[in-house]
Amino acid sequence: KAGVTQTPRYLIKTRGQQVTLSCSPISGHRSVSWYQQTPGQGLQFLFEYFSETQRNKGNFPGRFSGRQFSNSRSEMNVSTLELGDSALYLCASSRVPEAQGPGGEQYFGPGTRLTVT
Amino acid sequence: KNQVEQSPQSLIILEGKNCTLQCNYTVSPFSNLRWYKQDTGRGPVSLTIMTFSENTKSNGRYTATLDADTKQSSLHITASQLSDSASYICVVSAMTGNTPLVFGKGTRLSVIA
Repeated sequence: KAGVTQTPRYLIKTRGQQVTLSCSPISGHRSVSWYQQTPGQGLQFLFEYFSETQRNKGNFPGRFSGRQFSNSRSEMNVSTLELGDSALYLCASSRVPEAQGPGGEQYFGPGTRLTVT
Repeated sequence: KNQVEQSPQSLIILEGKNCTLQCNYTVSPFSNLRWYKQDTGRGPVSLTIMTFSENTKSNGRYTATLDADTKQSSLHITASQLSDSASYICVVSAMTGNTPLVFGKGTRLSVIA
């Protein structure tokens, strides 16, 4: 079956702009998590959605937001972009939320490479 | 504070040799520990998942060990291949709080001919 897809794969924005990234989970998966990956910090958790509800949120400013639709597809939005937002944004899906144990194994998409200039 | 520390930060080995990557964690309460392989420009791919009661788990040439008492894990790669060149990330599930998964910063492995 098809894996997790993310669009766009690459994006260049300027400071102050906003951006929306999209993630389509594996068919049948209802949980979607978002991560930011930078060389210095590694992978950092942004938020997790399950059945259109945000279950968990990481320590990121309010400029980072997300949502999940009824078909489990998810979007994340970053407003007022800063240079430090340049990163690889990864989406991962699972059948159930990871914390619920079996079935919570996450499958990652290829990521969206965001560059802020 | 929940943390996952990996060592070494980077490693270069010759093709065909074995290597071992280390992971120490302070995550509590512990649910499971995973090792991911991430090729450059791609998302992480799961290699193994171990729960509290599992000491060893293999996936082909990859063998992960877990000592829940000392909160240490290792990933052993046997007979390395050029395609093993990647970042290896240790991830521990905290099962609580705002961040169920705690990620290490990874070990960058380069296998050379």
